[in-house]
Amino acid sequence: DAKTTQPNSMESNEEEPVHLPCNHSTISGTDYIHWYRQLPSQGPEYVIHGLTSNVNNRMASLAIAEDRKSSTLILHRATLRDAAVYYCILRSYSGTYKYIFGTGTRLKVLA
Amino acid sequence: NAGVMQNPRHLVRRRGQEARLRCSPMKGHSHVYWYRQLPEEGLKFMVYLQKENIIDESGMPKERFSAEFPKEGPSILRIQQVVRGDSAAYFCASSPLPAGGLKDTQYFGPGTRLTVL
Repeated sequence: DAKTTQPNSMESNEEEPVHLPCNHSTISGTDYIHWYRQLPSQGPEYVIHGLTSNVNNRMASLAIAEDRKSSTLILHRATLRDAAVYYCILRSYSGTYKYIFGTGTRLKVLA
Repeated sequence: NAGVMQNPRHLVRRRGQEARLRCSPMKGHSHVYWYRQLPEEGLKFMVYLQKENIIDESGMPKERFSAEFPKEGPSILRIQQVVRGDSAAYFCASSPLPAGGLKDTQYFGPGTRLTVL
């Protein structure tokens, strides 16, 4: 299975942009890159996903490297409510399409 | 529109007992996924079900674990003869579309935290 590698933790100041990196050097051509976040004691929540092109939505932006071996989730202005574990996930095909979760990055937002 | 519901939220069992975890998907969703999360780890895929069918159970342990998603009612993850290693958070997710589409997005429930004494 293709894997993702993320830093264990990151800190950001409130109201500043945050760039959360993810390496997925073994990604295959059909694997989508998904980002979810998990607040304490809750289930994961969808953030954004993409295949090759950069993507924007109301929550965040996703920048995907040209060779697709890495990607970056960008939160444009971090708020205290953005403190969570952010998972970079490959939606990978192995019989069926599955989400392969990494260990995630715990984002701490400082007031 | 209510989100994905899971119950119970917390479940305590003694070794050797059975655990039944329930998941009610979002309205209109006929695809359900179960995941297990150990402390400080990411979620691990267990099983993917469609109404009355198991599509992919490649992540399920071969023994003691089973899952179903009947035509009527919630999806059930059943763990027989629980052991301490089964202690974990179990999450259910649902989707309106089959896995693999361009708009493939899963909606997760709040999880059931199973503790085996």
